[in-house]
Amino acid sequence: AQSVAQPEDQVNVAEGNPLTVKCTYSVSGNPYLFWYVQYPNRGLQFLLKYITGDNLVKGSYGFEAEFNKSQTSFHLKKPSALVSDSALYFCAVRDSGRASGTYKYIFGTGTRLKVLA
Amino acid sequence: SQTIHQWPATLVQPVGSPLSLECTVEGTSNPNLYWYRQAAGRGLQLLFYSVGIGQISSEVPQNLSASRPQDRQFILSSKKLLLSDSGFYLCAWSEGNQETQYFGPGTRLLVL
Repeated sequence: AQSVAQPEDQVNVAEGNPLTVKCTYSVSGNPYLFWYVQYPNRGLQFLLKYITGDNLVKGSYGFEAEFNKSQTSFHLKKPSALVSDSALYFCAVRDSGRASGTYKYIFGTGTRLKVLA
Repeated sequence: SQTIHQWPATLVQPVGSPLSLECTVEGTSNPNLYWYRQAAGRGLQLLFYSVGIGQISSEVPQNLSASRPQDRQFILSSKKLLLSDSGFYLCAWSEGNQETQYFGPGTRLLVL
C-alpha cells in the first residue's frame, strides 16, 4: 500500500537560513509526488510535483524539492526562508492504482514550518 | 483559468441537524472531484470522490453522504450531524489524467 511519512511535526528556522521539510514515501511503481502549503483557515495550495525527469524540481515561491529514489525521499527545500513561509506543509503521493476511474492521493500528516525573524 | 468555490466558509450547527456543503468548479469540464476532512489542522482524510455525474465512491463509512447533481457541482450532506463531524472540509478537483489536485478554500464546520 502507498504511504507518505513526514517525520517532523514542526520545523523552526531563522529567517534567511535554508530550510528543509522532510518527506519519505512508499509506493508500488513510479511515484507521483507533490508538495502543498496551507495557511491558517485556507485550502491547500499546490507548490510543486515530481512525475519524471530531473530529480530537482522547482516550484512556486522559490521552493524546490529533491527526488531521491534510493532513499525514497522527496524533501522540500528553500535556500533562504522568509517569515511569510510559516505555514503547514503537506507531502502527497498519488496512488498508482486507477480504481473507479480516477486516482486517489495519500497525504502526509503535515509539518508546521515556523520561520523566526 | 479554473477556479473552485466552496460555501459556506464557516458553519455552526447543532447536533442532530442536517448539513449541506457545496463545491463548484469553473473553467473545466468533467473534472474528478474529491471531498476531504481535516481534523485539528492536520492530516487529510479522503471522504468521497467522483469521476462523473451521479458517480460517487465512498472511502470511509460514516454519517456523511455526497452527491454530484451536475458536472461541476459536488455536495456533501448529512441527515443528522454528530459532534465528531466537526472539522475543516476541503473540496478538490483534478482534470482527467492530469496529475495535480487543486483545492478549494474550505468550510469550517462546528457541531455543538
